[in-house]
Amino acid sequence: QKEVEQDPGPLSVPEGAIVSLNCTYSNSAFQYFMWYRQYSRKGPELLMYTYSSGNKEDGRFTAQVDKSSKYISLFIRDSQPSDSATYLCAMGSGGGADGLTFGKGTHLIIQP
Amino acid sequence: GAVVSQHPSWVICKSGTSVKIECRSLDFQATTMFWYRQFPKQSLMLMATSNEGSKATYEQGVEKDKFLINHASLTLSTLTVTSAHPEDSSFYICSASPPTQNYEQYFGPGTRLTVT
Repeated sequence: QKEVEQDPGPLSVPEGAIVSLNCTYSNSAFQYFMWYRQYSRKGPELLMYTYSSGNKEDGRFTAQVDKSSKYISLFIRDSQPSDSATYLCAMGSGGGADGLTFGKGTHLIIQP
Repeated sequence: GAVVSQHPSWVICKSGTSVKIECRSLDFQATTMFWYRQFPKQSLMLMATSNEGSKATYEQGVEKDKFLINHASLTLSTLTVTSAHPEDSSFYICSASPPTQNYEQYFGPGTRLTVT
């Protein structure tokens, strides 16, 4: 079993829809959680970061963490074609001194 | 957000040669930087942790003699792929955390290496 599971998709939704992206993990040591957006042949761009269970909102994005279930989600409201990209969840346990463990990434397509 | 740059953005080299990739933190100092590798349609895999002024820490299965890391200053880490082979062709990405944002890692744009 991999430490972080993420459905690779592709996930295709119409413009304006609410998108739900999810990851599950098995390592209880993970304490902080991030979502990155990656366009083809580019480096990942940090979207959201959280370290506690619950919701965190930033504009059209909401990150949700449930540590008891080892489940994290990213919601995108009012999705736009420009949101089409691969979304990667990432997790860490030791702060800035430790590397991150990534999910495989979900390829999201927003249809105009 | 913090800015991390990489150079070159892409490189093609012949089998058996060595290639150096630079990673720079442009607006902050980073005592620790990380190197990842990403194969097509795969996730990022941590290769090593680069520590300023000391030896890098490599993940299991990563050959330290093949992937040489030098963190010479607080804003620069280099990854040298020695005696490159076609199976080393990949997307190499570095990241760093600003001191005031210890848990948030910012990534460079990546370097695409093709070994022929």
